[in-house]
Amino acid sequence: AQKVTQAQTEISVVEKEDVTLDCVYETRDTTYYLFWYKQPPSGELVFLIRRNSFDEQNEISGRYSWNFQKSTSSFNFTITASQVVDSAVYFCALSEAFGSSNTGKLIFGQGTTLQVKP
Amino acid sequence: ETGVTQSPTHLIKTRGQQVTLRCSSQSGHNTVSWYQQALGQGPQFIFQYYREEENGRGNFPPRFSGLQFPNYSSELNVNALELDDSALYLCASSLGEWGGFYGYTFGSGTRLTVV
Repeated sequence: AQKVTQAQTEISVVEKEDVTLDCVYETRDTTYYLFWYKQPPSGELVFLIRRNSFDEQNEISGRYSWNFQKSTSSFNFTITASQVVDSAVYFCALSEAFGSSNTGKLIFGQGTTLQVKP
Repeated sequence: ETGVTQSPTHLIKTRGQQVTLRCSSQSGHNTVSWYQQALGQGPQFIFQYYREEENGRGNFPPRFSGLQFPNYSSELNVNALELDDSALYLCASSLGEWGGFYGYTFGSGTRLTVV
Protein backbone atom coordinates (compact mmCIF):
# COMPACT_ATOMS: atom_id res chain seq x y z
CA ALA A 1 0.00 0.00 0.00
CA GLN A 2 1.17 3.49 -0.75
CA LYS A 3 1.77 5.65 2.25
CA VAL A 4 3.70 8.74 3.28
CA THR A 5 4.61 9.34 6.90
CA GLN A 6 5.77 12.60 8.37
CA ALA A 7 6.31 11.70 11.98
CA GLN A 8 7.01 15.23 13.16
CA THR A 9 3.72 17.03 13.67
CA GLU A 10 5.20 20.32 14.82
CA ILE A 11 8.71 21.70 15.02
CA SER A 12 9.70 24.97 16.63
CA VAL A 13 13.13 26.52 16.11
CA VAL A 14 14.79 29.85 16.64
CA GLU A 15 15.82 31.85 13.61
CA LYS A 16 19.16 30.82 12.07
CA GLU A 17 18.91 27.28 13.39
CA ASP A 18 19.06 24.40 10.90
CA VAL A 19 16.02 22.14 10.80
CA THR A 20 15.32 18.80 9.11
CA LEU A 21 11.85 17.61 8.20
CA ASP A 22 11.54 13.85 7.91
CA CYS A 23 9.57 11.93 5.30
CA VAL A 24 9.25 8.16 4.97
CA TYR A 25 7.27 6.56 2.18
CA GLU A 26 5.95 3.14 1.23
CA THR A 27 5.41 1.90 -2.29
CA ARG A 28 5.75 -1.32 -4.25
CA ASP A 29 6.44 0.52 -7.48
CA THR A 30 9.94 0.99 -8.78
CA THR A 31 8.95 4.11 -10.71
CA TYR A 32 7.58 7.00 -8.71
CA TYR A 33 8.04 10.65 -7.92
CA LEU A 34 8.46 12.35 -4.58
CA PHE A 35 7.53 15.93 -3.85
CA TRP A 36 7.82 18.54 -1.15
CA TYR A 37 5.30 21.36 -0.89
CA LYS A 38 5.07 24.36 1.39
CA GLN A 39 1.66 25.58 2.54
CA PRO A 40 1.56 29.05 4.08
CA PRO A 41 -1.52 30.19 6.04
CA SER A 42 -3.12 31.44 2.83
CA GLY A 43 -3.58 27.83 1.79
CA GLU A 44 -1.97 27.43 -1.61
CA LEU A 45 0.52 24.60 -2.08
CA VAL A 46 3.88 25.98 -3.13
CA PHE A 47 6.00 23.50 -5.06
CA LEU A 48 9.52 23.05 -3.69
CA ILE A 49 11.01 19.97 -5.35
CA ARG A 50 10.20 16.88 -7.40
CA ARG A 51 12.49 13.89 -7.48
CA ASN A 52 12.10 10.68 -9.48
CA SER A 53 12.88 7.27 -8.04
CA PHE A 54 15.89 6.74 -10.28
CA ASP A 55 17.69 9.87 -9.21
CA GLU A 56 19.15 9.52 -5.74
CA GLN A 57 21.38 12.52 -5.98
CA ASN A 58 20.91 14.96 -3.18
CA GLU A 59 19.89 18.43 -4.18
CA ILE A 60 20.62 21.86 -2.80
CA SER A 61 18.74 25.02 -3.64
CA GLY A 62 19.88 28.01 -1.67
CA ARG A 63 19.10 27.31 1.99
CA TYR A 64 17.10 24.21 1.09
CA SER A 65 18.51 20.73 0.63
CA TRP A 66 16.98 17.30 0.16
CA ASN A 67 18.36 13.89 1.01
CA PHE A 68 16.80 10.99 -0.89
CA GLN A 69 17.69 7.48 0.30
CA LYS A 70 15.89 4.60 -1.38
CA SER A 71 17.47 2.10 1.02
CA THR A 72 15.51 3.61 3.89
CA SER A 73 12.59 4.94 1.78
CA SER A 74 13.23 8.42 3.06
CA PHE A 75 13.20 11.84 1.46
CA ASN A 76 14.21 14.36 4.09
CA PHE A 77 14.23 18.12 3.75
CA THR A 78 16.67 20.42 5.51
CA ILE A 79 16.43 24.18 5.87
CA THR A 80 19.73 25.78 6.75
CA ALA A 81 19.79 29.03 8.72
CA SER A 82 16.00 29.12 9.07
CA GLN A 83 14.11 32.37 8.76
CA VAL A 84 10.74 33.53 10.08
CA VAL A 85 9.39 33.42 6.50
CA ASP A 86 9.99 29.66 6.49
CA SER A 87 7.15 29.25 8.99
CA ALA A 88 4.50 27.13 7.26
CA VAL A 89 3.16 23.60 6.95
CA TYR A 90 5.36 21.36 4.84
CA PHE A 91 4.04 18.33 2.99
CA CYS A 92 5.87 15.40 1.52
CA ALA A 93 3.99 13.55 -1.24
CA LEU A 94 4.36 10.45 -3.41
CA SER A 95 3.09 9.89 -6.95
CA GLU A 96 3.31 6.34 -8.24
CA ALA A 97 3.62 5.49 -11.91
CA PHE A 98 0.43 6.02 -13.87
CA GLY A 99 -1.03 2.73 -15.08
CA SER A 100 -4.00 0.41 -15.06
CA SER A 101 -4.22 0.28 -11.30
CA ASN A 102 -2.74 3.64 -10.45
CA THR A 103 -4.05 7.08 -11.20
CA GLY A 104 -0.69 8.65 -10.54
CA LYS A 105 -2.39 10.71 -7.84
CA LEU A 106 -0.48 12.46 -5.12
CA ILE A 107 -0.44 10.77 -1.74
CA PHE A 108 0.37 13.28 0.95
CA GLY A 109 1.77 12.90 4.42
CA GLN A 110 0.05 14.54 7.35
CA GLY A 111 2.32 17.54 7.18
CA THR A 112 4.84 19.12 9.54
CA THR A 113 4.12 22.55 10.96
CA LEU A 114 7.33 24.53 11.21
CA GLN A 115 7.45 27.58 13.43
CA VAL A 116 10.52 29.75 13.23
CA LYS A 117 10.76 32.25 16.06
CA PRO A 118 12.75 35.47 15.78
CA GLU B 1 1.17 31.97 -18.56
CA THR B 2 -1.69 32.00 -16.09
CA GLY B 3 -1.76 29.56 -13.21
CA VAL B 4 -4.67 27.64 -11.74
CA THR B 5 -7.55 29.76 -10.52
CA GLN B 6 -10.31 28.56 -8.24
CA SER B 7 -13.61 30.15 -7.34
CA PRO B 8 -15.05 31.06 -5.00
CA THR B 9 -12.30 31.48 -2.41
CA HIS B 10 -14.63 31.01 0.53
CA LEU B 11 -18.10 29.55 0.82
CA ILE B 12 -20.55 28.84 3.63
CA LYS B 13 -23.30 26.29 3.05
CA THR B 14 -25.94 24.62 5.14
CA ARG B 15 -26.00 20.88 5.76
CA GLY B 16 -28.00 19.11 3.06
CA GLN B 17 -27.36 21.75 0.40
CA GLN B 18 -25.45 21.28 -2.82
CA VAL B 19 -22.30 23.17 -3.85
CA THR B 20 -20.31 23.67 -7.05
CA LEU B 21 -16.66 24.65 -6.98
CA ARG B 22 -14.84 25.81 -10.09
CA CYS B 23 -11.31 25.52 -11.37
CA SER B 24 -9.58 26.98 -14.41
CA SER B 25 -6.52 24.96 -15.26
CA GLN B 26 -3.19 26.37 -16.33
CA SER B 27 -2.96 27.14 -20.03
CA GLY B 28 -2.03 24.01 -22.00
CA HIS B 29 -2.88 21.58 -19.18
CA ASN B 30 -5.39 18.85 -20.07
CA THR B 31 -5.61 17.10 -16.72
CA VAL B 32 -7.29 18.32 -13.58
CA SER B 33 -7.40 16.66 -10.19
CA TRP B 34 -9.24 17.65 -7.03
CA TYR B 35 -8.14 17.22 -3.43
CA GLN B 36 -9.91 17.69 -0.11
CA GLN B 37 -7.86 18.98 2.80
CA ALA B 38 -9.53 18.80 6.20
CA LEU B 39 -8.13 20.99 8.96
CA GLY B 40 -4.79 19.72 10.20
CA GLN B 41 -4.59 16.98 7.57
CA GLY B 42 -2.81 16.40 4.32
CA PRO B 43 -4.80 16.73 1.08
CA GLN B 44 -6.76 13.65 0.01
CA PHE B 45 -7.32 12.76 -3.64
CA ILE B 46 -10.95 13.01 -4.75
CA PHE B 47 -10.76 12.38 -8.51
CA GLN B 48 -8.97 13.26 -11.71
CA TYR B 49 -10.19 14.23 -15.17
CA TYR B 50 -8.23 13.80 -18.36
CA ARG B 51 -9.65 15.24 -21.59
CA GLU B 52 -13.16 15.45 -20.13
CA GLU B 53 -13.24 11.88 -18.75
CA GLU B 54 -12.81 10.80 -15.15
CA ASN B 55 -9.78 8.50 -15.08
CA GLY B 56 -9.22 8.07 -11.37
CA ARG B 57 -11.15 8.34 -8.15
CA GLY B 58 -10.24 8.27 -4.50
CA ASN B 59 -12.26 6.97 -1.59
CA PHE B 60 -15.09 9.47 -1.77
CA PRO B 61 -18.84 8.75 -2.03
CA PRO B 62 -20.80 9.30 -5.26
CA ARG B 63 -22.24 12.56 -3.97
CA PHE B 64 -18.86 13.98 -4.92
CA SER B 65 -18.96 14.38 -8.69
CA GLY B 66 -17.18 16.41 -11.26
CA LEU B 67 -16.97 17.64 -14.80
CA GLN B 68 -14.24 18.74 -17.13
CA PHE B 69 -15.08 21.01 -20.02
CA PRO B 70 -13.56 21.22 -23.54
CA ASN B 71 -11.38 24.12 -22.41
CA TYR B 72 -10.14 21.81 -19.61
CA SER B 73 -11.66 23.86 -16.83
CA SER B 74 -13.40 21.78 -14.20
CA GLU B 75 -16.17 21.69 -11.61
CA LEU B 76 -16.48 19.78 -8.37
CA ASN B 77 -20.04 19.19 -7.21
CA VAL B 78 -20.97 17.98 -3.77
CA ASN B 79 -24.56 16.99 -3.01
CA ALA B 80 -26.24 16.57 0.35
CA LEU B 81 -23.52 18.41 2.21
CA GLU B 82 -22.41 17.07 5.56
CA LEU B 83 -20.58 18.86 8.33
CA ASP B 84 -17.48 16.73 7.62
CA ASP B 85 -17.32 18.17 4.12
CA SER B 86 -15.98 21.37 5.65
CA ALA B 87 -12.47 21.61 4.21
CA LEU B 88 -10.13 23.35 1.81
CA TYR B 89 -10.70 22.04 -1.71
CA LEU B 90 -7.67 22.20 -3.93
CA CYS B 91 -7.54 21.88 -7.68
CA ALA B 92 -4.38 20.90 -9.52
CA SER B 93 -3.68 20.80 -13.23
CA SER B 94 -0.96 19.03 -15.20
CA LEU B 95 0.17 18.57 -18.79
CA GLY B 96 -0.76 14.90 -18.90
CA GLU B 97 -2.42 12.05 -17.07
CA TRP B 98 0.51 11.44 -14.79
CA GLY B 99 1.03 14.61 -12.88
CA GLY B 100 3.94 13.02 -11.11
CA PHE B 101 5.84 12.96 -14.38
CA TYR B 102 4.66 16.29 -15.74
CA GLY B 103 4.36 18.14 -12.47
CA TYR B 104 1.32 19.70 -10.83
CA THR B 105 0.19 23.31 -10.56
CA PHE B 106 -2.12 23.92 -7.63
CA GLY B 107 -4.73 26.62 -7.18
CA SER B 108 -5.17 28.57 -3.97
CA GLY B 109 -8.19 26.53 -2.99
CA THR B 110 -11.80 27.05 -1.97
CA ARG B 111 -12.49 27.00 1.74
CA LEU B 112 -15.91 25.41 2.28
CA THR B 113 -17.67 25.63 5.61
CA VAL B 114 -20.80 23.56 6.18
CA VAL B 115 -22.97 24.67 9.08
